[in-house]
Amino acid sequence: DDVLTQSPLSLLVTLGQPASISCRSSQSLVYSDGDTYLHWFQQRPGQSPRRLIYRVSNRDSGVPDRFSGSGSGSDFTLKISRVEAEDVGVYYCMQGTLWPKTFGQGTKVEIK
Amino acid sequence: EVQLVESGGGLVQPGGSLRLSCAASGFTLSTYEMNWVRQAPGKGLEWVSHTPKSSSSFYYTDSVKGRFTMSRDNAKNSVFLQMNSLRAEDTAVYYCVRYNNYWGQGTLVTVSS
Repeated sequence: DDVLTQSPLSLLVTLGQPASISCRSSQSLVYSDGDTYLHWFQQRPGQSPRRLIYRVSNRDSGVPDRFSGSGSGSDFTLKISRVEAEDVGVYYCMQGTLWPKTFGQGTKVEIK
Repeated sequence: EVQLVESGGGLVQPGGSLRLSCAASGFTLSTYEMNWVRQAPGKGLEWVSHTPKSSSSFYYTDSVKGRFTMSRDNAKNSVFLQMNSLRAEDTAVYYCVRYNNYWGQGTLVTVSS
């Protein structure tokens, strides 16, 4: 199975400051169609996961533009340009290129 | 509006069975990839099963193969997860997911004596 390794596993951030989460895959996530099926999810406390970014860098509808995704091949990053209180939660990367689909371990974001 | 509503969770003894249901609305289920994803208490997310759009094929993660069976009823716009030979490690919230961008609220399955 493909392994997705997120770092850090925990982030304590000051309001208004940036945050960055890394997601590294044990294999290339470029699919045979040329697309890379690496996505990012946010799970707020007590809620279902919500997709923020699809296929590396595309923001979902309604997602604030302070969230951005980047990367290629097996190395990806989610950035929050200025953390707000509503960003508290756990963030997961997920790959849909290989079966079984897998998630990273999650990164918990808290406010300092 | 897309909605996914899971039901069927509960407390079951080890070795027992449960059938989860996911009622979909706001879209035609048969034309979308559907999935079950679970989350053990305080833990991360795990993909359990998957059926591609417009397909009668189903795929499972290794830990549930031979014990779980996913199915879909297009007439009822619903998907199901039949879970047999349940183990303590199957205890989790089970989410019904359309592709990966629409998630239900989840249903809790607790396997315990």
